[in-house]
Amino acid sequence: GQNIDQPTEMTATEGAIVQINCTYQTSGFNGLFWYQQHAGEAPTFLSYNVLDGLEEKGRFSSFLSRSKGYSYLLLKELQMKDSASYLCAVGNFNKFYFGSGTKLNVKP
Amino acid sequence: DTAVSQTPKYLVTQMGNDKSIKCEQNLGHDTMYWYKQDSKKFLKIMFSYNNKELIINETVPNRFSPKSPDKAHLNLHINSLELGDSAVYFCASSQDRTSAGELFFGEGSRLTVL
Repeated sequence: GQNIDQPTEMTATEGAIVQINCTYQTSGFNGLFWYQQHAGEAPTFLSYNVLDGLEEKGRFSSFLSRSKGYSYLLLKELQMKDSASYLCAVGNFNKFYFGSGTKLNVKP
Repeated sequence: DTAVSQTPKYLVTQMGNDKSIKCEQNLGHDTMYWYKQDSKKFLKIMFSYNNKELIINETVPNRFSPKSPDKAHLNLHINSLELGDSAVYFCASSQDRTSAGELFFGEGSRLTVL
């Protein structure tokens, strides 16, 4: 089976740093993905980890520990436009399984 | 040019009716998907097709029937609609079935069953 957990909601201040955690238990694994979804819009791809460690992409970084079944998304220099839901997804060859998403509220 | 496009964007209908949602991708991808996102924002895979061949059917009721006339199109037909079918349905594509490539999503079709 698949089990992907992430916090339901977080609040952070503009300009700050926020870390969104994701833990997973899956029967197969070939990648951990993070997607951003603004209200009423489609999810868009942010980052992908297949090996342990940190992947940095501008203001966003993602970390993976396969042995711990753990990932996080780090957002730096938060902007108001970062207010969105962040979905953790596990790739299992043919399939992508999504967590329920973390709604991030960025306040001035 | 929209990479993954689906129509209609909004659909309001009565219980018991039959409706279809169409999806097209111009990315040259081999694999297409239908996902359902419920009111709690949980995105759940329903079907996946690779080069017109069904490869994933995630315990979806028989009332849902996907059809892929070619690898660029994946349509979803729903018979005898029920209240619980109300959700946003997202079409998506990825380069192929074996790589852990990213998903490209359509804008979603919001279905409301009254």
